[in-house]
Amino acid sequence: EADIYQTPRYLVIGTGKKITLECSQTMGHDKMYWYQQDPGMELHLIHYSYGVNSTEKGDLSSESTVSRIRTEHFPLTLESARPSHTSQYLCASSSRLGLGGTYNEQFFGPGTRLTVL
Amino acid sequence: GNSVTQMEGPVTLSEEAFLTINCTYTATGYPSLFWYVQYPGEGLQLLLKATKADDKGSNKGFEATYRKETTSFHLEKGSVQVSDSAVYFCALIASQGAQKLVFGQGTRLTINP
Repeated sequence: EADIYQTPRYLVIGTGKKITLECSQTMGHDKMYWYQQDPGMELHLIHYSYGVNSTEKGDLSSESTVSRIRTEHFPLTLESARPSHTSQYLCASSSRLGLGGTYNEQFFGPGTRLTVL
Repeated sequence: GNSVTQMEGPVTLSEEAFLTINCTYTATGYPSLFWYVQYPGEGLQLLLKATKADDKGSNKGFEATYRKETTSFHLEKGSVQVSDSAVYFCALIASQGAQKLVFGQGTRLTINP
C-alpha cells in the first residue's frame, strides 16, 4: 500500500488568497512530483524534485511554487489564487530501481480539489 | 519526443463484456509501460506494468502485453464489472533522458449493470 498523503482534500477559497497544498510520503522516495489535472482528465506535470533542495519546473507553466526542505515533504504554494487555478492537484513520488537505475513507477496521493471563487 | 496515444473515450459496456482499451507509444530506447486507474474522487493507482518487450502485466483480471514490434500496450479484461468504472491512463517512463512519466489522455470507462 502506497503511503502518500495530501491535505486538504477539498478547498474552496476566494480570489487573492495565499494557499499551500501539502504533500507527504513515508516511503523514503527521493523524487516527488506535482500534477495538475484538468476537467478533461489530462494530467500536466507542473513541478518535480530530485531530492532535498532540488526543484524543477515541469512541462506546463504554473504560477505556483514548491519547496523541498525535507525528503518526505513537498508543499505547493499559490501566492494569490485566481479562478484559473481551479483544478485537481495530484502529488506523486518514486524511487530508483537500484543505485543509478531508472525510476520506478510513481505512487500518487488522493489529490486536492481546489476551487477559487 | 516521447508520447502515448490512447483509444478515444468514453467507453460504455455492459457487465461481463470483454474490454479492450488501445494504447500505442512513441519513445526512444526501451521504455517501461504502465496502466493507471483513477476511480471517482481519487488519485491514480498503478494497475499493472511491464518493463521489457513481451512482458505481460496483470492485476485484478486486467492484462496488457508489451509489444515492441507494434509499439503497443493494450489493456484487456475478459469480463468487466460495474466496479471497473473509472478512468484508465496508459503511461511510459523512457529509459533515457529525464525519465518523466508520460501519460496518455485517459479513457473513461462506464460499466452498466
